Amino acid sequence: AAGVIQSPRHLIKEKRETATLKCYPIPRHDTVYWYQQGPGQDPQFLISFYEKMQSDKGSIPDRFSAQQFSDYHSELNMSSLELGDSALYFCASSFETGEETGELFFGEGSRLTVL
Amino acid sequence: DAKTTQPPSMDCAEGRAANLPCNHSTISGNEYVYWYRQIHSQGPQYIIHGLKNNETNEMASLIITEDRKSSTLILPHATLRDTAVYYCILRPNAGNMLTFGGGTRLMVKP
Repeated sequence: AAGVIQSPRHLIKEKRETATLKCYPIPRHDTVYWYQQGPGQDPQFLISFYEKMQSDKGSIPDRFSAQQFSDYHSELNMSSLELGDSALYFCASSFETGEETGELFFGEGSRLTVL
Repeated sequence: DAKTTQPPSMDCAEGRAANLPCNHSTISGNEYVYWYRQIHSQGPQYIIHGLKNNETNEMASLIITEDRKSSTLILPHATLRDTAVYYCILRPNAGNMLTFGGGTRLMVKP
């Protein structure tokens, strides 16, 4: 079965550079979530989109932005990168039926290293 | 304030049942109990969820107390590959994100 696809899997950037992570949800899933997981930490929710509109916002820095496109894929844009942005970034998708909330399916993550 | 409380770590012998407890004394009527696990540096994986009835699937069983203030995840025959951090998460119906925190690090030993 198709899973959530994230790219790139690994990314190395210098401080103050910009990075873009991409997420391709499971086909027919309408909701995308972004999480950040620093070393030794739990995943922290950043932002989510339902039907291409932002639905929830968590601890996403102002330097970060995200959007969901017409084909439901999503991109997380990170600017003015800092050393503390080094982390695993997970994308998850779900299909929200409105009657019972759908389970989240996570991708394998994108590892960002800021030097 | 944490909505769920789990022991930080547990050990289990391979082949034995692993029983992971979770306290959620302030659970609301519309909140489901979800369990996810994260094997080292992999994406979190859905295990099971329930509202008030006990649930079972191919991975695990979920036992929810009648007052819904606590639950137990049961892995009936733990294997080494079940070594992971297990998260008990409360999630209201329809479309809310998951909030991870304070999971149990389960170590399955030979």
